[in-house]
Amino acid sequence: GQNIDQPTEMTATEGAIVQINCTYQTSGFNGLFWYQQHAGEAPTFLSYNVLDGLEEKGRFSSFLSRSKGYSYLLLKELQMKDSASYLCAPADSNYQLIWGAGTKLIIKP
Amino acid sequence: TAGITQAPTSQILAAGRSMTLRCTQDMRHNAMYWYRQDLGLGLRLIHYSNTAGTTGKGEVPDGYSVSRANTDDFPLTLASAVPSQTSVYFCASSLAGGTHNEQFFGPGTRLTVL
Repeated sequence: GQNIDQPTEMTATEGAIVQINCTYQTSGFNGLFWYQQHAGEAPTFLSYNVLDGLEEKGRFSSFLSRSKGYSYLLLKELQMKDSASYLCAPADSNYQLIWGAGTKLIIKP
Repeated sequence: TAGITQAPTSQILAAGRSMTLRCTQDMRHNAMYWYRQDLGLGLRLIHYSNTAGTTGKGEVPDGYSVSRANTDDFPLTLASAVPSQTSVYFCASSLAGGTHNEQFFGPGTRLTVL
């Protein structure tokens, strides 16, 4: 079956670094997406990884290991506006996204 | 540019009634999707369309129908609503289906079925 596992909730301090992990099992694999979703709003695209390694985009970086079925999202210099849910979504063999339940990130001053 | 819009924003519906959730995009995207999002669960795909005139079933299609008469519009119909269809519904679009293209989401419709 297809399964996505990510922590339900994490807490971090403003200015710090946080890593949100995601493990996945899918029928085929065509890359992995990370989305950000603020409470009551729509998800918005953060990153896409299809090859192993780290992709850096400003304060956000995303890592993928296909052999381990593992990805993480790294957020640096945390700001209060980063308080949101972070959704891990690998694409299966048909390019359909399989969504995790999301990790709610709480940033404290 | 409006991007992708949904209507209504929220709705309370009596069980057994029918309802159509509207979705329109102005990005000329070929692919469109309908998801539902429930507390503690990931987004679940209801139906999708890779191009105008074609539709496909997602993970949870039962009780829902869609049509794609043109590129811009992708309405979702609940023929006879049941309380388990209480959810937040998101419409999304991407440049093409069956590819790695990112999906853009509408603001969502919060539906309560009583």
